[in-house]
Amino acid sequence: DAKTTQPNSMESNEEEPVHLPCNHSTISGTDYIHWYRQLPSQGPEYVIHGLTSNVNNRMASLAIAEDRKSSTLILHRATLRDAAVYYCILLRGNMLTFGGGTRLMVKP
Amino acid sequence: EPEVTQTPSHQVTQMGQEVILRCVPISNHLYFYWYRQILGQKVEFLVSFYNNEISEKSEIFDDQFSVERPDGSNFTLKIRSTKLEDSAMYFCASSEWTGEYGYTFGSGTRLTVV
Repeated sequence: DAKTTQPNSMESNEEEPVHLPCNHSTISGTDYIHWYRQLPSQGPEYVIHGLTSNVNNRMASLAIAEDRKSSTLILHRATLRDAAVYYCILLRGNMLTFGGGTRLMVKP
Repeated sequence: EPEVTQTPSHQVTQMGQEVILRCVPISNHLYFYWYRQILGQKVEFLVSFYNNEISEKSEIFDDQFSVERPDGSNFTLKIRSTKLEDSAMYFCASSEWTGEYGYTFGSGTRLTVV
């Protein structure tokens, strides 16, 4: 399995940026780095993905280390609706292997 | 924004009964998936489906499980003889091509086996 390591939980204040780290030291050259989040009682939701270069979309930014062994999901201004479990996943083949993720708590 | 639709949202069934969980993937997507999440546990891959056949499956997806695309829009997961341990949230997902483009998940069917 393509393994990732994330902190179990993080806290943030509303309106502040959040940096969610992920280590993936066993990444191989063709593995895409995906981030999903799961709000309470909902299905996983795609956030962003990348291969080598940093990526931005309307939800977040993804910063990928030069050696690709780690990445950081950046939420530019956390809102209460961003409270969720965030999963960093290496896509190998066509199967997402979810770990435990990081539970993000956002304080008003 | 296009959605993956799952029905029913909650299903209760007796142990040993057959259940069919239904999904309508996004219309231009070509890959379809089922995942499940037992309460309090991780999301687990069950099966992927492309071009009317299974492309990958996990160890969980044994002979009790089957998938089908009976028409141009629906994608179903059948559990032939449900067990108590099949109780979980079942999520359908679809992707435009292989998953490097991102998957869209449905909101899930909560299956309770009694």
